[in-house]
Amino acid sequence: AQSVSQHNHHVILSEAASLELGCNYSYGGTVNLFWYVQYPGQHLQLLLKYFSGDPLVKGIKGFEAEFIKSKFSFNLRKPSVQWSDTAEYFCAVIMTTDSWGKFQFGAGTQVVVTP
Amino acid sequence: SQTIHQWPATLVQPVGSPLSLECTVEGTSNPNLYWYRQAAGRGLQLLFYSVGIGQISSEVPQNLSASRPQDRQFILSSKKLLLSDSGFYLCAWSNRRDRGSPHRGYTFGSGTRLTVV
Repeated sequence: AQSVSQHNHHVILSEAASLELGCNYSYGGTVNLFWYVQYPGQHLQLLLKYFSGDPLVKGIKGFEAEFIKSKFSFNLRKPSVQWSDTAEYFCAVIMTTDSWGKFQFGAGTQVVVTP
Repeated sequence: SQTIHQWPATLVQPVGSPLSLECTVEGTSNPNLYWYRQAAGRGLQLLFYSVGIGQISSEVPQNLSASRPQDRQFILSSKKLLLSDSGFYLCAWSNRRDRGSPHRGYTFGSGTRLTVV
């Protein structure tokens, strides 16, 4: 069955530390990949997305993600986090052949950045 | 610009009572519409999606139903709520696209926190 796995459910780190959140998927075909972020009390927002081309994509707020096709991974990174990066992060995948736009989301990773 | 409205923001309902959550989209036409439920540690579970008026597809069997009476209106309902229906419900929309072309992603509503007591 198709699935999306996020390795860490809960991450706590200090300001200025580097962040890497893992995401693996188990789809056999061509996919579009996304990271969404949900800040406390706010709605889900798109952080970045990958369609094709350069496997390293840059998003808002200094985030980037790397698509490694051979590993079926799309890990999210930020070199130096801030307290305002405290949020829940969701990886999402959709097959390019899916006409209905049905995304598969990971379980989410709660990130807490301490001052 | 496109916006999505979802209400109410919070709701406390007794077991066995009915439910109606509403979602409307502005600034676009013929959107694909979705209802998701977000549970702690379990991510987002797709409940229903709709590609047109009156066209509803259910992803999981449950106590809930959905309807799309108008192009930009999507309603999540239940005749009798269960305790297990408690959760955070999200509405989302996306543009139609051709099969094989890139997906732009969803735009999510602000969600409804439902507590069944």
